[in-house]
Amino acid sequence: DTAVSQTPKYLVTQMGNDKSIKCEQNLGHDTMYWYKQDSKKFLKIMFSYNNKELIINETVPNRFSPKSPDKAHLNLHINSLELGDSAVYFCASSQIPAGVWAETQYFGPGTRLLVL
Amino acid sequence: AQSVTQPDIHITVSEGASLELRCNYSYGATPYLFWYVQSPGQGLQLLLKYFSGDTLVQGIKGFEAEFKRSQSSFNLRKPSVHWSDAAEYFCAVGGSTGSARQLTFGSGTQLTVLP
Repeated sequence: DTAVSQTPKYLVTQMGNDKSIKCEQNLGHDTMYWYKQDSKKFLKIMFSYNNKELIINETVPNRFSPKSPDKAHLNLHINSLELGDSAVYFCASSQIPAGVWAETQYFGPGTRLLVL
Repeated sequence: AQSVTQPDIHITVSEGASLELRCNYSYGATPYLFWYVQSPGQGLQLLLKYFSGDTLVQGIKGFEAEFKRSQSSFNLRKPSVHWSDAAEYFCAVGGSTGSARQLTFGSGTQLTVLP
């Protein structure tokens, strides 16, 4: 009964390809996120969706496009992959309590992307 | 803009020794502070969090952290480290940008535990 799951766990692909990473949460949360962790372990938020609506869109290339078919899923599609896209991508989810401006985020296990 | 600094990139301690990992934050209002742990090849797990109230917060696995507003710090401590504590530790501050809430992470501290 994994709370936040991601597929695939590992992804090795060639430059120029298009790939997708899927994320699902069974916690009933309203908000989901994508983070990128670079080779120096630095974690940075990329996107956030609340009830299928995009609410955070940090400065990432247009080649990255999130898709939220329903509030339990947030997928990440990457076009024209580049060497610099190699990283670990984490999905997370949270439930924002009323009147609270921060909340606990629950993370998936990560997808390790290697672009050759 | 909010930011988090973890001044120690790598810390090595012996098993059974005490541990303190440093975290300093910058945030304009009352911060919401978190410590997460990442074991090798794993995702992030929440250790503890501070929203308000008692400034000494207890977490899982015997960890605690103390919020010190005057020093803008939220250091993580454990009185006796176990070999299984070897991992990467991330401090984070939660805040809002307009209507959007987000976490900003520090760069992490890698903990090595010697037998």
